[in-house]
Amino acid sequence: KAGVTQTPRYLIKTRGQQVTLSCSPISGHRSVSWYQQTPGQGLQFLFEYFSETQRNKGNFPGRFSGRQFSNSRSEMNVSTLELGDSALYLCASRDHYEQYFGPGTRLTVT
Amino acid sequence: AQKVTQAQTEISVVEKEDVTLDCVYETRDTTYYLFWYKQPPSGELVFLIRRNSFDEQNEISGRYSWNFQKSTSSFNFTITASQVVDSAVYFCALSEPNRDDKIIFGKGTRLHILP
Repeated sequence: KAGVTQTPRYLIKTRGQQVTLSCSPISGHRSVSWYQQTPGQGLQFLFEYFSETQRNKGNFPGRFSGRQFSNSRSEMNVSTLELGDSALYLCASRDHYEQYFGPGTRLTVT
Repeated sequence: AQKVTQAQTEISVVEKEDVTLDCVYETRDTTYYLFWYKQPPSGELVFLIRRNSFDEQNEISGRYSWNFQKSTSSFNFTITASQVVDSAVYFCALSEPNRDDKIIFGKGTRLHILP
C-alpha cells in the first residue's frame, strides 16, 4: 500500500496570506489527524477527522481549520498567516490505534 | 490530564553502546495506549511500537526493547549496540481511547550516535 502523502512538501508564504495543505491517507484509513511541529512546542495536535467529521480538536485559534472529503483526503487551511505559524505540518492516517505519518509540509512564513 | 514527559532532551553515545530513552506518562484512565516513534533527519515520523495498558510484558524487536512499568508510569526504550543510523529524534506518546483518543506526544529526545 502507498503511504501517507502530503503536498506540497515545502511552502513559503508571507504574513497575512492564507495557505492550504493537502494530505492523502493510506488506502482504507478513514481517520486523518494533523499536527504542528515546532522546535519550541514540539508536536502539537491540531485536529482529527473521521468520515468527513471533525472528531477532535486541539488548542489552536480559529485561523486553523480543516476538512475531509468523501475519499478520506484531508486539507488544512491557515488564514492570516503569522510568523509563528512557521512549522512542519504533519498529517497522519490511522488504522485502529496505529498512526502512520506522512513526510510533512514545511511552511515558512516571512 | 494526559501528559508525556521525556526528560532527556538530547543524548550522545558512541556507536555500539547501549542507550535508554526515558518516558514517563500521566493519565487518569485505566485504558490507554503508549507509543514510540522515530523521526530521522528526513522528518517523517516512523511508528516503532504500540503498547496497551493491560499488557505489561516487555517487548524486544531486534536491537530495540521496551520496558513498560505501570508502577512507575514509565515506558522506556532501549537500543542495544547502537548504530549511527539510530541517530534521530525519538518521541513517546499516549492516547486514551475511552476519552478523546487524541495522541499526545512528549517533547522528544534527540539521540546522537557518534562513530
